[in-house]
Amino acid sequence: DSGVTQTPKHLITATGQRVTLRCSPRSGDLSVYWYQQSLDQGLQFLIQYYNGEERAKGNILERFSAQQFPDLHSELNLSSLELGDSALYFCASSVVSTSGGITDTQYFGPGTRLTVL
Amino acid sequence: ILNVEQSPQSLHVQEGDSTNFTCSFPSSNFYALHWYRWETAKSPEALFVMTLNGDEKKKGRISATLNTKEGYSYLYIKGSQPEDSATYLCSYNQGGKLIFGQGTELSVKP
Repeated sequence: DSGVTQTPKHLITATGQRVTLRCSPRSGDLSVYWYQQSLDQGLQFLIQYYNGEERAKGNILERFSAQQFPDLHSELNLSSLELGDSALYFCASSVVSTSGGITDTQYFGPGTRLTVL
Repeated sequence: ILNVEQSPQSLHVQEGDSTNFTCSFPSSNFYALHWYRWETAKSPEALFVMTLNGDEKKKGRISATLNTKEGYSYLYIKGSQPEDSATYLCSYNQGGKLIFGQGTELSVKP
């Protein structure tokens, strides 16, 4: 158990809908990362937040947005869902050292499996 | 275009065999390379973070080396055990943006 929690574990929804995935980082970790793993692709970095502020952005679609709250939990919002958004969404957290997180170990949560029908 | 490549894609070995796989990454603007172990139905688990050219890291029977000038890292497993069966991922960090390879799937038969 990494100490990172994600809810829900599974989510089934329809095209066009909007969902929110939630992540609670390990105690003491200030940074949260979101990743997507589709069947046909490897692990794709979406976005990183550090202490409430966006730190780095990857291949995140405009239909997706994220935020990190004052208690450091994070939410990933996916809207206008398409069939291709079906994937496993991971959250990871790290303590951000002086490297800005670049060399920090990331601890992954168990993931949320999203199925869009 | 950034690209991280891992080879081989999959590997089947017998218990006790030693094995190694490669992660290739762009050698310019290097910041850090991460290795992860990912077992089926679980989440990725960090193995190593490597930053300096010539870095060597070791954790039990698993070790890794880094060559930033030529853009590759090797992961070695000595005396593979069935519990080593997993996908091994490397991730290249270029100033915050993380690029993952497709992984090497290792299967160790008893």
